[in-house]
Amino acid sequence: DQQVKQNSPSLSVQEGRISILNCDYTNSMFDYFLWYKKYPAEGPTFLISISSIKDKNEDGRFTVFLNKSAKHLSLHIVPSQPGDSAVYFCAASGDDKIIFGKGTRLHILP
Amino acid sequence: DVKVTQSSRYLVKRTGEKVFLECVQDMDHENMFWYRQDPGLGLRLIYFSYDVKMKEKGDIPEGYSVSREKKERFSLILESASTNQTSMYLCASSFPGASGSPVYNEQFFGPGTRLTVL
Repeated sequence: DQQVKQNSPSLSVQEGRISILNCDYTNSMFDYFLWYKKYPAEGPTFLISISSIKDKNEDGRFTVFLNKSAKHLSLHIVPSQPGDSAVYFCAASGDDKIIFGKGTRLHILP
Repeated sequence: DVKVTQSSRYLVKRTGEKVFLECVQDMDHENMFWYRQDPGLGLRLIYFSYDVKMKEKGDIPEGYSVSREKKERFSLILESASTNQTSMYLCASSFPGASGSPVYNEQFFGPGTRLTVL
């Protein structure tokens, strides 16, 4: 039973355009959400997080939106750059649990 | 800069062997975690520790044990390795979140150990 779903295994976006990565969760106990980025042969690195008391958090080119009623979050990257090509994992925390999604591979096209 | 190091990048073991994966962090983090990453399955939490000698099961603890004798070091032990434990193993560490819970804060990951069990 997948508690955190990233339904798009991969996504291709033109350089300079907006990349939107989506994540859905099922457990209403989750109240803290994080996005990580992973390059091949490296460990994931933290990108941005959001608490359930907010609906938006922004850090430079990265913005995370949270829709609690829909149990949905999204990561927006604007503008997309070649170095953004990586696998992106969303994670949901709560009740002393942390669950990661399966990841979305983002390809930034020149 | 936070550094999380793992003892090996690649490891090949035989079925039935006892395997130790070591992780060391240098930022005085209270929390440490072990995950495995498999294609199509993402990261799955095996065990975590919020203090020395303390451990908590994650989602997939079966076939694994852990040891945390010092704050900076967290070991993952495969008592009798099996082929289905072939995977990428990732260690992470973090400070506690504002509530004190180990899961409410960004984690810093090591580079991973790719374990192959033959």
